[in-house]
Amino acid sequence: AQSVTQLGSHVSVSEGALVLLRCNYSSSVPPYLFWYVQYPNQGLQLLLKYTSAATLVKGINGFEAEFKKSETSFHLTKPSAHMSDAAEYFCAVSDNTGNQFYFGTGTSLTVIP
Amino acid sequence: ETGVTQTPRHLVMGMTNKKSLKCEQHLGHNAMYWYKQSAKKPLELMFVYNFKEQTENNSVPSRFSPECPNSSHLFLHLHTLQPEDSALYLCASSQDWQGNQPQHFGDGTRLSIL
Repeated sequence: AQSVTQLGSHVSVSEGALVLLRCNYSSSVPPYLFWYVQYPNQGLQLLLKYTSAATLVKGINGFEAEFKKSETSFHLTKPSAHMSDAAEYFCAVSDNTGNQFYFGTGTSLTVIP
Repeated sequence: ETGVTQTPRHLVMGMTNKKSLKCEQHLGHNAMYWYKQSAKKPLELMFVYNFKEQTENNSVPSRFSPECPNSSHLFLHLHTLQPEDSALYLCASSQDWQGNQPQHFGDGTRLSIL
């Protein structure tokens, strides 16, 4: 069985500060990991994905995430927050045993001017 | 055209009504999905279609009935819904149903049950 835990349902950062959104996963087989962003009144948009290539994955809008197998983590970071980064962020895990994605409960990011 | 289009964007219906949600994808994908998004809960996968064939039905009540006439279109037929069914319903598609394929989402239908 797979699951995703996102620590912190709400994160606030100042504009220009580091963004760190945490994601830990549970999977009995090598996982595929994804980060999605959801802006108000919109669907989910893919930020980046890890599919067993490089452990440091770069995505859109300056975000990146590092796959750490020993810590079963896939935290999302951005060096400098922008006001437009305010949104809901979802971590998801899947694998090759099925076609299901398992999403976390989301982290709401607020950027303070 | 955006990748995945959902209509209507908003729907208000009574518990005895029958309505349908529509999803269309213009990405040439072979797999399509329905999700339910409720506040404070993870996205709930409802149905999966792969090459028009239903491959998953995650214990969804029969008042929700999916239909996939072709790989580009997906419907969710609604009948005799309950207040707890009020939520955002998201459609997604992926190239195929392998786990390493990202899913592309529509903007959802906000459903309110009176």
